Amino acid sequence: SQQGEEDPQALSIQEGENATMNCSYKTSINNLQWYRQNSGRGLVHLILIRSNEREKHSGRLRVTLDTSKKSSSLLITASRAADTASYFCATDNYGQNFVFGPGTRLSVLP
Amino acid sequence: EAQVTQNPRYLITVTGKKLTVTCSQNMNHEYMSWYRQDPGLGLRQIYYSMNVEVTDKGDVPEGYKVSRKEKRNFPLILESPSPNQTSLYFCASSLSPVGPQYFGPGTRLTVL
Repeated sequence: SQQGEEDPQALSIQEGENATMNCSYKTSINNLQWYRQNSGRGLVHLILIRSNEREKHSGRLRVTLDTSKKSSSLLITASRAADTASYFCATDNYGQNFVFGPGTRLSVLP
Repeated sequence: EAQVTQNPRYLITVTGKKLTVTCSQNMNHEYMSWYRQDPGLGLRQIYYSMNVEVTDKGDVPEGYKVSRKEKRNFPLILESPSPNQTSLYFCASSLSPVGPQYFGPGTRLTVL
């Protein structure tokens, strides 16, 4: 069952611009996490936001969570070419299986 | 160095020939998991394990087996691989089933 769905599927921006990706999910969640994947490599954890949190920051990353709309957004500020990657949201069902969305492909052009 | 290792990294095989993909972590993590990644479908969970001798099916378990005899190892077994199991496979581990997961480098499997 596909829980998280990212939007847009692909995003292309210039270096220095901000990038915003959205994630929607269907059922109640415990936590929502964001991961990054560089082409064909293993995923790297970026940030975790709990269901009772509304916003979280980590460096240039800002994540928001709206449980009433069952959605989250990931904002990358002042993007760099090295931010070029695919970004995935993932939800867990209170300690049971993990569900990832199909991802957003971000291209940051120099 | 804390890491999740997978072997082999690349494998080309033929239909029906049993194979095992190994996964090992050195972080003393309780939770381990296997995913497959296919274009346009994202990552789909195959099996997960909460602890030694405790495994459970994910979203796409058909055609796969796992075992968890030791805390650090979580091999993925394909008893009779078929071409639709051609995919990129990832092993992951975490301290708890709700925490950040650490991923291995991936195993690219082609079944002819």
